[in-house]
Amino acid sequence: EPEVTQTPSHQVTQMGQEVILRCVPISNHLYFYWYRQILGQKVEFLVSFYNNEISEKSEIFDDQFSVERPDGSNFTLKIRSTKLEDSAMYFCASSERGASSYNEQFFGPGTRLTVL
Amino acid sequence: AQSVTQLGSHVSVSEGALVLLRCNYSSSVPPYLFWYVQYPNQGLQLLLKYTSAATLVKGINGFEAEFKKSETSFHLTKPSAHMSDAAEYFCAVTPSSGSARQLTFGSGTQLTVLP
Repeated sequence: EPEVTQTPSHQVTQMGQEVILRCVPISNHLYFYWYRQILGQKVEFLVSFYNNEISEKSEIFDDQFSVERPDGSNFTLKIRSTKLEDSAMYFCASSERGASSYNEQFFGPGTRLTVL
Repeated sequence: AQSVTQLGSHVSVSEGALVLLRCNYSSSVPPYLFWYVQYPNQGLQLLLKYTSAATLVKGINGFEAEFKKSETSFHLTKPSAHMSDAAEYFCAVTPSSGSARQLTFGSGTQLTVLP
């Protein structure tokens, strides 16, 4: 069964460093998403991406964040200068259909980011 | 704006007992609703979804949920709990119309199953 994959599973970085989290969505999916879950808190939406551009973003997704689909398979989240409060589990998700259909999102296993 | 409220951050049931996890939503129009499960150190797995078809939705692992518009609820139930059901459960919503596609999650309910 097709699945969303994410690498690495765990990333440790120093405050102020740049990190890139990688995701490979399901191959025929059109919409891509990043969510994060700070330990003990709810899952929060960061950004959605469609047709090579951001379609929605939350207040959390400020200028230090960026997303990219550098090739036909990968979808990346870059955090330019990490802060302690960026420590969280980051989930990538993808969905197949466009705006006319319901939104079943398939989630990857997550990348645990630890900022020291 | 949509929101989801999950009553009870922790629920404990005995093995074999009924599981009831509560979810209420707030939305100007009935949204699409989902229940996800998260096992320790794993990602989110879709249990079931409501997308304006049948109001009683059956999902995986014996779970089901009923959409009640009058109560703005989408509670998750399972007749008989199993030890393997111990996990965190998240209710989520997304608009049923328009271009917005983000999921808004509730704060989660940790289910403990006692032997």
